[in-house]
Amino acid sequence: AQSVTQPDIHITVSEGASLELRCNYSYGATPYLFWYVQSPGQGLQLLLKYFSGDTLVQGIKGFEAEFKRSQSSFNLRKPSVHWSDAAEYFCAVGGGNQGGKLIFGQGTELSVKP
Amino acid sequence: DAGITQSPRYKITETGRQVTLMCHQTWSHSYMFWYRQDLGHGLRLIYYSAAADITDKGEVPDGYVVSRSKTENFPLTLESATRSQTSVYFCASRSGTNYEQYFGPGTRLTVT
Repeated sequence: AQSVTQPDIHITVSEGASLELRCNYSYGATPYLFWYVQSPGQGLQLLLKYFSGDTLVQGIKGFEAEFKRSQSSFNLRKPSVHWSDAAEYFCAVGGGNQGGKLIFGQGTELSVKP
Repeated sequence: DAGITQSPRYKITETGRQVTLMCHQTWSHSYMFWYRQDLGHGLRLIYYSAAADITDKGEVPDGYVVSRSKTENFPLTLESATRSQTSVYFCASRSGTNYEQYFGPGTRLTVT
């Protein structure tokens, strides 16, 4: 079955600290992987995406993610968190054989301590 | 305005009533999607459309109806609303060649 797991429902980090949000997926074909961010009361904004090529991808707002096929993971990282990064983060997987439909994880809520 | 818009942004309705949520995009994207977002479930796909007059069910289609007579519009109708359909609904779209989906601002629906 195709699925996305975000093991951490809620994470709290101090401002300036590094961040890693975990994402594991199960997908039967070559996956396209995405990270979206949702600020309170807002829609989802794409942070970054991986289709092929370099397994370390850079996104907006200083975020990056690394695709590890052997671990079926696509973890999101940021070296220094800002208070404005507090939001909910969603990992998603999709592919050409599914008509481009995305399967989302349950989300990780990030809180940032001053 | 360019982009993807949803209306209304907030809606309160009573059990048993019909309600339609509107979604409009200005990019001429061929694909459009409806999701619902509930605590503990992330986003779940209700229906999607690959082009005008082509729609298909997603993960949670029961109780919902969609149509797509024009490329830019993708309305979602709850024919007889139930309390379990209280949720935040997001519309999204993407082009035929790019798998990146663009999301609208959402509609918060409360069924009393």
